[in-house]
Amino acid sequence: EIVLTQSPGTLSLSPGERATLSCRASQSVSSSFLAWYQQKPGQAPRLLIFGASIRATGIPDRFSGSGSGTDFTLTISRLEPEDFAVYYCQQYGSSPLFTFGPGTTVDIK
Amino acid sequence: QGHLQESGPRLVKPSQALTLTCTVFGGSTSGYYWNWIRQPPGKGLEWIGYIYGTGSTIYNPSLESRVTISADTSKNQFSLKLNSVTAADTAVYYCARVGFSGYDFQGAFDIWGQGTMVTVSS
Repeated sequence: EIVLTQSPGTLSLSPGERATLSCRASQSVSSSFLAWYQQKPGQAPRLLIFGASIRATGIPDRFSGSGSGTDFTLTISRLEPEDFAVYYCQQYGSSPLFTFGPGTTVDIK
Repeated sequence: QGHLQESGPRLVKPSQALTLTCTVFGGSTSGYYWNWIRQPPGKGLEWIGYIYGTGSTIYNPSLESRVTISADTSKNQFSLKLNSVTAADTAVYYCARVGFSGYDFQGAFDIWGQGTMVTVSS
């Protein structure tokens, strides 16, 4: 089973700052199948990035993804007030077929 | 693109079965992978399993002995049945679709239901 680890657990930043979130896998993940989600309280997760670096429909270009192998990064270039939320990475391909990381909370400093 | 809506009992007694239905609005269930995912209060996300097309299913091995996912394509619905529930099964349950980019399988969940909170308690 591939285990995804996210760091930091919490990121405290101010609006306008840059956020860098890390997702590390215990084994190599195909870049085609690494995704990132945003979740706000009381809401379902929203797909931001799939294929490690492809923005989903309607996602602003301040969100970008990168990485390969076991190390992946989600970057938010300039935080907007609506970006403060929990972010999850997710992989597809290893049993269980889909697994999620534990999440990184981005909160207001 | 369409949207998804979960429905079913919000309270289930221990040892009984949890059954939820997801209705797909604005699209067909054909040709996609339809999933159940859950999230215990204050915790992370756990994939439960999916059903595809004519009814092939794959489940999370940690739940496989208790889970059945089925579909009724005439109603654009798919369902989750989880047997022998305990308090550990208390969670928000989401249905979600795995998306495609053209013909390419995305391996990511592009459409989600709003989620339904199910509590296991006597």
